[in-house]
Amino acid sequence: EVQLVESGGGLVQPGRSLRLSCTASGFTFGDYAMSWVRQAPGKGLEWVGFIRSKAYGGTTEYAASVKGRFTISRDDSKSIAYLQMNSLKTEDTAVYYCAKYSGSYYYFDYWGQGTLVTVSS
Amino acid sequence: EIVMTQSPATLSVSPGERATLSCRASQSVSSNLAWYQQKPGQAPRLLIYGASTRATGIPARFSGSGSGTEFTLTISSLQSEDFAVYYCQQYNNWPQTFGQGTKLEIK
Repeated sequence: EVQLVESGGGLVQPGRSLRLSCTASGFTFGDYAMSWVRQAPGKGLEWVGFIRSKAYGGTTEYAASVKGRFTISRDDSKSIAYLQMNSLKTEDTAVYYCAKYSGSYYYFDYWGQGTLVTVSS
Repeated sequence: EIVMTQSPATLSVSPGERATLSCRASQSVSSNLAWYQQKPGQAPRLLIYGASTRATGIPARFSGSGSGTEFTLTISSLQSEDFAVYYCQQYNNWPQTFGQGTKLEIK
């Protein structure tokens, strides 16, 4: 059974940093691209960014709203994906979901339960 | 960036009736469209990918259709557990984008 478990959320002041983790199980983590998607309170879904598998270079792509502030990385030996968030803004307040891409196309076949990040002074 | 527009924003339907949800893309996304269901306090769940292929374990009452810029999600006979928010997502172009969602509520 595929499981994705996010951790690391919490309350942080504007301008500070936070790192989220996504621990995966139930599939060969290193074979798949992984993504982060967020949802502000009462709002819709916003794609944040993703990291390709090592077979495709392990490169990353980001939404314009977070580019230059957020960094996604992965540790395939531990089956963990990370989201490093720097220079946080109040508008980054959201539930952050880790999501697994299907093997063939870039839709999300599994999601974690999410972790809440609140950016406030 | 491709803009995905869902309609209506809220749809009120009685249990047992059919629900039809629409999603329009600002430019063609071919058949690279997925639908997700989200219940309060839960993560989204994949329903449909490739515009019309049901994901594993999704009941046959859910069906998707369309290609290019116009897409439809149909739920043939609503069950109580189907009342939720539904999102479409295009994955044809970067960045991937979602519609704003349609809330399906009990009439």
